[in-house]
Amino acid sequence: GENVEQHPSTLSVQEGDSAVIKCTYSDSASNYFPWYKQELGKRPQLIIDIRSNVGEKKDQRIAVTLNKTAKHFSLHITETQPEDSAVYFCAASMAAGNKLTFGGGTRVLVKP
Amino acid sequence: DSGVTQTPKHLITATGQRVTLRCSPRSGDLSVYWYQQSLDQGLQFLIQYYNGEERAKGNILERFSAQQFPDLHSELNLSSLELGDSALYFCASGSGDRETQYFGPGTRLLVL
Repeated sequence: GENVEQHPSTLSVQEGDSAVIKCTYSDSASNYFPWYKQELGKRPQLIIDIRSNVGEKKDQRIAVTLNKTAKHFSLHITETQPEDSAVYFCAASMAAGNKLTFGGGTRVLVKP
Repeated sequence: DSGVTQTPKHLITATGQRVTLRCSPRSGDLSVYWYQQSLDQGLQFLIQYYNGEERAKGNILERFSAQQFPDLHSELNLSSLELGDSALYFCASGSGDRETQYFGPGTRLLVL
């Protein structure tokens, strides 16, 4: 089955700096890649997603890039703010309506 | 608020006991997914139902079972509980024909 690896497991950045989280997936049939943000004790919340027919997608301070050939995708957060502190999960899915396979998560701490 | 509801929020029980977790999907969503989140295992897919029928099974123990009712709410039954079953249990819902999944607030299960 699909396997998703996520790095780094923890990331500490200064407020205003950028943060980058990288994920690799194993199954080339995967075609949907969402990113979730989870604050302590809360539900995972979808923050951005990308489909395999797109190489990059932006939404204000966050962007996701996808390299299908290398089977990796990345989350970029620019101008980080303290409220960006959370655990971020990448995931992969093979088709609409299919299960999500998650990476292990990245704990991001934004220091003021 | 994702529109997905879960009850109860917290559950404390003893080893060997049985519990039932409940999930109501967003209005219009036909798919319900159950995920387990433990400290060392991250977010693991358990099982998916679509319009009352089981669609996919993941790493779900034989002691666990689920069903989806005609009104589309779903229940996850956990029996013969062990200490290692302590975790956050999330359900997510989706339309079934699109990839996006929305998570409920979760049920925190503590087995003593």
